[in-house]
Parts: sequence; C-alpha cells; structure tokens
Amino acid sequence: GQQLNQSPQSMFIQEGEDVSMNCTSSSIFNTWLWYKQDPGEGPVLLIALYKAGELTSNGRLTAQFGITRKDSFLNISASIPSDVGIYFCAGQPLGGGADGLTFGKGTHLIIQP
Amino acid sequence: ETGVTQSPTHLIKTRGQQVTLRCSSQSGHNTVSWYQQALGQGPQFIFQYYREEENGRGNFPPRFSGLQFPNYSSELNVNALELDDSALYLCASSFGRVSGNTIYFGEGSWLTVV
Repeated sequence: GQQLNQSPQSMFIQEGEDVSMNCTSSSIFNTWLWYKQDPGEGPVLLIALYKAGELTSNGRLTAQFGITRKDSFLNISASIPSDVGIYFCAGQPLGGGADGLTFGKGTHLIIQP
Repeated sequence: ETGVTQSPTHLIKTRGQQVTLRCSSQSGHNTVSWYQQALGQGPQFIFQYYREEENGRGNFPPRFSGLQFPNYSSELNVNALELDDSALYLCASSFGRVSGNTIYFGEGSWLTVV
C-alpha cells in the first residue's frame, strides 16, 4: 500500500541534542498527525495539525503542516532518554475516513548516553 | 492511556484457520478503524466502521472483514489465514467520519500465523 516518505530512517544522537524529522507525500493531505510508538505498544498521538502552515507545540515537540499540504516536520528539542522510540507521521486526505490514515515507515530515534 | 482496548494481546494461529480480534473504542467515539502493522513498517489501513457500517476500505482482500456493534465496539475477522498475515493489528477510534478528527490507537493484538 501507499506510504509516505519519512526521513531519516534512524537517528543516533546524544542526550540533550535537538532532533528533526520530516515527511513528504505526492498527495495532498487535509490533516497531518505525528505518533510515537514504543516496542510492543500501539502508536501514541503526539501532535495533530489541521491547517496548512500551522505550527503547533506540545512541550519540547514542535510540528508544522507544510504550506503545500504535501509535507510536515517534527522537531524535538533537548532530547532525553524517554524520547527513544519510533516516530511515525500520518496523513489523512480530504475525503476523511474512507481512505484512512497513510503512514510513513517511521524514524527510529536512538539516544546515546 | 487512550481508552481504546483490544483483545487478545497475543495469539498464535495455524495457516488456514480463522481469527477474530476485538476492540472497544474510547468513550464517546463512534468511528472505529483497523490497521495492520508488519514488523518494521508503518500501519496499513484495513477498513473503517461508522455507525455499524463499513465506510472505507484499504487494499485488503475480502477475507478481511469486520463488524461494529451498537455500543461502537468492533471486531476484525480474518479467514483462511496466511503466513503473511502475521502482524500487529491496531484498532483506532475517533468521533465522526470526516477528516480532521483526532484518532487514538489501542495497544494492538499480535497475531502469529504458523
């Protein structure tokens, strides 16, 4: 099935560093969502974006909905050990539920002590 | 805690068998969707139910079917299991079927087909 282009695939960083990941699509989306998934668990919603150009923060996390509606990025500032996990972007088209969410393949964040 | 609960958490089935997975949606949510997540991949949309009717489906064969009940809980049924059906099956709930509604996932059911 269709998947978004999410990059990077993995990141090895030091604790305290800032992190940036992004997602691009060939299709326009009406909603962008960012999730974090820990091993053996379901995805947990981090940030939801509903308008092109929207910039939204959730604590140390900031995400933006691209102006073209075809991309989004997520930044994490001052990373801490509990940030380790897999981050997924997901887009929802204008048609809504009929097409479901389209996910990226994930960015695996690893924090080195 | 998202309020979305799934059962069972883990199960093992033999190729050719049938399986039923269950999901209780978050309180107040009337829409349930199901996703399949293979190892190392992002979730793939299977289908969505709104007010007990399927109103959207991804690229999955008819042996993947579902139900939604009046209390908005849902079942995913998979017939004639294949080895490639081994995956984490995720249920997600939201309110309404239009775009823009926040979607919350359960912890999933791990299915292994041998």
